Amino acid sequence: DIQLTQSPSFLSASVGDRVTITCRASQDISSHLAWYQQKPGKGPTVLIYAASTLQSGVPSRFSGSGSGTEFTLTISSLLPEDYATYFCQQLNDYPRTFGGGTTVDIK
Amino acid sequence: QVQLQESGPGLVKPSETLSLTCTVSGGSVSSGTYYWTWIRQPPGKGLEWIGYIFYGGSTRYNPSLRGRVTISVDKSKNQFSLNLNSVIAADTAMYYCARETYYHRSGSNTLDFWGQGTLVTVSS
Repeated sequence: DIQLTQSPSFLSASVGDRVTITCRASQDISSHLAWYQQKPGKGPTVLIYAASTLQSGVPSRFSGSGSGTEFTLTISSLLPEDYATYFCQQLNDYPRTFGGGTTVDIK
Repeated sequence: QVQLQESGPGLVKPSETLSLTCTVSGGSVSSGTYYWTWIRQPPGKGLEWIGYIFYGGSTRYNPSLRGRVTISVDKSKNQFSLNLNSVIAADTAMYYCARETYYHRSGSNTLDFWGQGTLVTVSS
């Protein structure tokens, strides 16, 4: 199975901060990576797919980059509604696998 | 807008079968090139992909579940279902259904719609 290592697992940030989350794959997954946001009690929602394509309706402060084995999710200026857990998923191979998640908390 | 809703027992006894249903609205399980997917998340742990059923009826499962899982579809009810047999305490988790879609423009897939999840506890 392809392992996805997300870092950090937890971060505290203030409104307006630039936030970067990293996802490393144990082997080359090309650009077949998606990023999701999950808030307590809710199902996840997709932010980014194909490593850098913004899902329709997602604010432009979210961006994704990378290919191969290293990927990043960036929130350019954190808003209160962005406090949530974020995780990556590889869709290059089966079984599909997920990163461990990054919880973004209020500083 | 496509919506998915999980339903089923919240408590299952060890060695019995966990059965969940996902009802799809705003779209059809019979149309398009979609992979109707189950995912779970044990308390305090990460997400685990369970498997999918393709709209044409083919299935694919996570080998980690060692043949205990079956995913099926009921087109007449616009639902798909998960059966996990011989459950143990480690199968306690939030179970999500979701739709995986292939986006031609990018040549990549994503889980573009998820249910809100249902907690299943395995306990006697």
